[in-house]
Amino acid sequence: EAGVAQSPRYKIIEKRQSVAFWCNPISGHATLYWYQQILGQGPKLLIQFQNNGVVDDSQLPKDRFSAERLKGVDSTLKIQPAKLEDSAVYLCASSPRLASGSDEQFFGPGTRLTVL
Amino acid sequence: QKEVEQNSGPLSVPEGAIASLNCTYSDRGSQSFFWYRQYSGKSPELIMSIYSNGDKEDGRFTAQLNKASQYVSLLIRDSQPSDSATYLCAVSGGFKTIFGAGTRLFVKA
Repeated sequence: EAGVAQSPRYKIIEKRQSVAFWCNPISGHATLYWYQQILGQGPKLLIQFQNNGVVDDSQLPKDRFSAERLKGVDSTLKIQPAKLEDSAVYLCASSPRLASGSDEQFFGPGTRLTVL
Repeated sequence: QKEVEQNSGPLSVPEGAIASLNCTYSDRGSQSFFWYRQYSGKSPELIMSIYSNGDKEDGRFTAQLNKASQYVSLLIRDSQPSDSATYLCAVSGGFKTIFGAGTRLFVKA
């Protein structure tokens, strides 16, 4: 079974530029998560989808971050414009069942973003 | 504000010893508890899940849950250098999963 795929793996941009990340979850997984992980901290949830609907986006900085999950499969996360403090690893995870809050999550390799 | 607290470490143990990692959480309504291992530069990998009070064993790993004390722990028996990593505690309830900052474990050969 293929795991969660993410691209790109690394991205370097200058502040005020825009960037997009892509995630393909494990086939058949209903729930998809985007996390931001800053060095030395645990993952912080940005947005959670169940199929193509948003379950939780309470910690997503909506003035600059946006995300979508078309057709309940792939997802993209965009930052526009980027700030220095957005430098982090962006992790995508998926889980097999509906968003019950009790599911084991499977993570992709992450995208390391550096904002200069 | 729901919180998950872990000692950041590093926790250093000799090879073959038992490593004990601890986690406390603030939300009494939490229902599911997970331990993830994260190697440096890699993404988290699930190693244990526990849903009811008591112990759950899987190979060298034992997860312990005490909901009354809002405490969950992970024991690693016969620790190996390959166990050196950051261990993240995650607590779920009401559609939310919150991760702790992790404890760095170093197993000395």
